[in-house]
Amino acid sequence: TQLLEQSPQFLSIQEGENLTVYCNSSSVFSSLQWYRQEPGEGPVLLVTVVTGGEVKKLKRLTFQFGDARKDSSLHITAAQPGDTGLYLCAGVGGGSNYKLTFGKGTLLTVNP
Amino acid sequence: EAGVAQSPRYKIIEKRQSVAFWCNPISGHATLYWYQQILGQGPKLLIQFQNNGVVDDSQLPKDRFSAERLKGVDSTLKIQPAKLEDSAVYLCASSLVWGAKNIQYFGAGTRLSVL
Repeated sequence: TQLLEQSPQFLSIQEGENLTVYCNSSSVFSSLQWYRQEPGEGPVLLVTVVTGGEVKKLKRLTFQFGDARKDSSLHITAAQPGDTGLYLCAGVGGGSNYKLTFGKGTLLTVNP
Repeated sequence: EAGVAQSPRYKIIEKRQSVAFWCNPISGHATLYWYQQILGQGPKLLIQFQNNGVVDDSQLPKDRFSAERLKGVDSTLKIQPAKLEDSAVYLCASSLVWGAKNIQYFGAGTRLSVL
């Protein structure tokens, strides 16, 4: 069974601060996705990283996929209250299934 | 473009009762997924359909859970009988293609409380 560990589980910061969320696994994934989920809504895909060592930027969000394709990080610069939500990483399995395995998520609160 | 529609949004039942959830995926999306998200955890895949065929139901508790996708469009997920530990949000998702770069679009979910 492939497992994804996310840390920290909870994070409460002030507006303008920077933060990094981590997603680690002992398994190799064909790709990894990051989602944000707001209360009462389903997860929304932010980015997919495919290549080991890949870095993608989405405005103030920077995503990195580890060289061995087992871990990933999400860095937010100058966090804003609108960034508040549950950040989930999901590994995409290989083979013919492409099944998503989600981590437990990091609940981020950005206070004004 | 309309998103994934789910109903009802909330359901409260007593243990041993039955419940059904409905999902209408994005038009044209051949792949449909049902996930269970327990409070404090990430979504867990219950079943995946490709058109109206089952691709993966390895984590579906088949003694009490069932799902169908007639005509390859809408889908229903049923629990009979419900247990306390079934309290969770049930998410439906759909994707246009099935592969390593597939993008899944999620509905808002049905929050089930089993008392």
